[in-house]
Amino acid sequence: DTAVSQTPKYLVTQMGNDKSIKCEQNLGHDTMYWYKQDSKKFLKIMFSYNNKELIINETVPNRFSPKSPDKAHLNLHINSLELGDSAVYFCASSYRAAGDTQYFGPGTRLTVL
Amino acid sequence: GENVEQHPSTLSVQEGDSAVIKCTYSDSASNYFPWYKQELGKRPQLIIDIRSNVGEKKDQRIAVTLNKTAKHFSLHITETQPEDSAVYFCAASYGQNFVFGPGTRLSVLP
Repeated sequence: DTAVSQTPKYLVTQMGNDKSIKCEQNLGHDTMYWYKQDSKKFLKIMFSYNNKELIINETVPNRFSPKSPDKAHLNLHINSLELGDSAVYFCASSYRAAGDTQYFGPGTRLTVL
Repeated sequence: GENVEQHPSTLSVQEGDSAVIKCTYSDSASNYFPWYKQELGKRPQLIIDIRSNVGEKKDQRIAVTLNKTAKHFSLHITETQPEDSAVYFCAASYGQNFVFGPGTRLSVLP
């Protein structure tokens, strides 16, 4: 009965590869997010979707493309992986798009070799 | 856009002492201020939050104060315990955005 789940938990891949991270929430929330947490632990929002529509798209490379097939899922696809993409990626969800508690997934540690 | 600063970046206290972490924000339109705790290797989890219509909120050993005029808010942890050791993030929410502070690594020494 995990509220926000992500797969995989760990992802090790070579530079230049394409990979996807999946996120699902069973809280009935309308809004989902992707965050990147770098080695210095700084949490930076990448994308936000509300009812399957993109509402926040921070300055991230075009190689990152979110996809929301329904409001319970928000996947992150990354093309042509680079060394600098190595980080922990967290998915989160909240009831509304603003001013609401965000519930985080367990994170996906991506290592690009 | 919103900018959130957080101080100190690291904090060590003796078990039983109090810890205070302060955050400032730049956008006066921000109206929701949560605090998250992230233990090593774990996900950030909400520990307390406050909205702009309230000046203070308390939950057992944890309290948050908000000064809207000065645009700063603080986390207070009393009677600290070793399990309080973690990274703490403040955040400010305005519109549809959520901006986190850079985090404070709290170490509670036994």
